[in-house]
Amino acid sequence: GQNIDQPTEMTATEGAIVQINCTYQTSGFNGLFWYQQHAGEAPTFLSYNVLDGLEEKGRFSSFLSRSKGYSYLLLKELQMKDSASYLCAVRDSNYQLIWGAGTKLIIKP
Amino acid sequence: ETGVTQTPRHLVMGMTNKKSLKCEQHLGHNAMYWYKQSAKKPLELMFVYNFKEQTENNSVPSRFSPECPNSSHLFLHLHTLQPEDSALYLCASSQDVGLGYNEQFFGPGTRLTVL
Repeated sequence: GQNIDQPTEMTATEGAIVQINCTYQTSGFNGLFWYQQHAGEAPTFLSYNVLDGLEEKGRFSSFLSRSKGYSYLLLKELQMKDSASYLCAVRDSNYQLIWGAGTKLIIKP
Repeated sequence: ETGVTQTPRHLVMGMTNKKSLKCEQHLGHNAMYWYKQSAKKPLELMFVYNFKEQTENNSVPSRFSPECPNSSHLFLHLHTLQPEDSALYLCASSQDVGLGYNEQFFGPGTRLTVL
């Protein structure tokens, strides 16, 4: 079966750095996405990785290792507004997105 | 209106009712999706339409019936639902269903409660 694993919840301090991991086992791989979802709101796109390595976009970076079936989302200089759930999703061989259950990130002052 | 809109935002219905959820995208996309989001569970893909043609139906019970009259509008018709169908129903759109970025843009969702 297809599976995406990510931690259920993480806590970090304002101004710090946090890394959210995602491991996957899917039938085929056509890219990995990270989305942010604030409570009661729609998921919004953060990043896309299809090749191994690090993609940086401002305070957010995403890393991919296809051989290890592993990705992480790195958030720097954390702000209170970063409190949200972070969803990892893999596009499989049928071009469907397979989603993880999300990691709830709590930022403390 | 911009992006992806969904109506209603909240819906409470009995198990014998018939209701419909509406989604509209203003992005010029060709693919539209229905997802179910339950607490602490992964997003479940229900239906995919690409250029108005249904391309995926992930073993969804027949009490959920999609309709896509054009590339901008998507409906989910509901009838004789069960309490376990209570969830957030999200609509999304993307340029198409192929490779590349092709990120999905989500609507705010309809919070459905089945009594």
